Amino acid sequence: GAGVSQTPSNKVTEKGKYVELRCDPISGHTALYWYRQSLGQGPEFLIYFQGTGAADDSGLPNDRFFAVRPEGSVSTLKIQRTERGDSAVYLCASSSTGNTEAFFGQGTRLTVV
Amino acid sequence: GNSVTQMEGPVTLSEEAFLTINCTYTATGYPSLFWYVQYPGEGLQLLLKATKADDKGSNKGFEATYRKETTSFHLEKGSVQVSDSAVYFCALKADSWGKLQFGAGTQVVVTP
Repeated sequence: GAGVSQTPSNKVTEKGKYVELRCDPISGHTALYWYRQSLGQGPEFLIYFQGTGAADDSGLPNDRFFAVRPEGSVSTLKIQRTERGDSAVYLCASSSTGNTEAFFGQGTRLTVV
Repeated sequence: GNSVTQMEGPVTLSEEAFLTINCTYTATGYPSLFWYVQYPGEGLQLLLKATKADDKGSNKGFEATYRKETTSFHLEKGSVQVSDSAVYFCALKADSWGKLQFGAGTQVVVTP
């Protein structure tokens, strides 16, 4: 596609539920990143994929968070047993390689009630 | 660890005023430095970057110079327009791949 696409744009879920957030990177981009942006803060790094593998997952806050990219294109961020503190905008970015400009999607706004 | 500190907003200016947003960083080694902009309802966009000391990044009338001696990368524009109203993020990249570390963002509001 023309840009990084994230779905859904908004997600409201109840505390304790499981959610999946999807990212479609720019076609041909091998590097993919997930960030989390809380209200009034800058984006915080969660995980980086190079191809299908997670090259750096040091930003995942705990084991309730998991991400996959099985075919090296679309990625899904999965959050189990959601908590109110997980409410944030989740951003996805992609770049052609790991060291070139990253292009961001518009994000998924997750609200846990 | 690495960190980015930028001035708090909101910064409110009149059209054609001079804009400065301060950004300082802490990092080991020689990071690359970036300014990203987020216009209302849009995703983050790269505004400009500098990859080594004394480099000046520029785009759309904005400029920032990588100052290693003061560990700063202040953003400036000589004459702002209403369309420059946005949130501006300073960021650094210290790894060989693309992981970015962002400041908290500065909201800029330009009034006619």
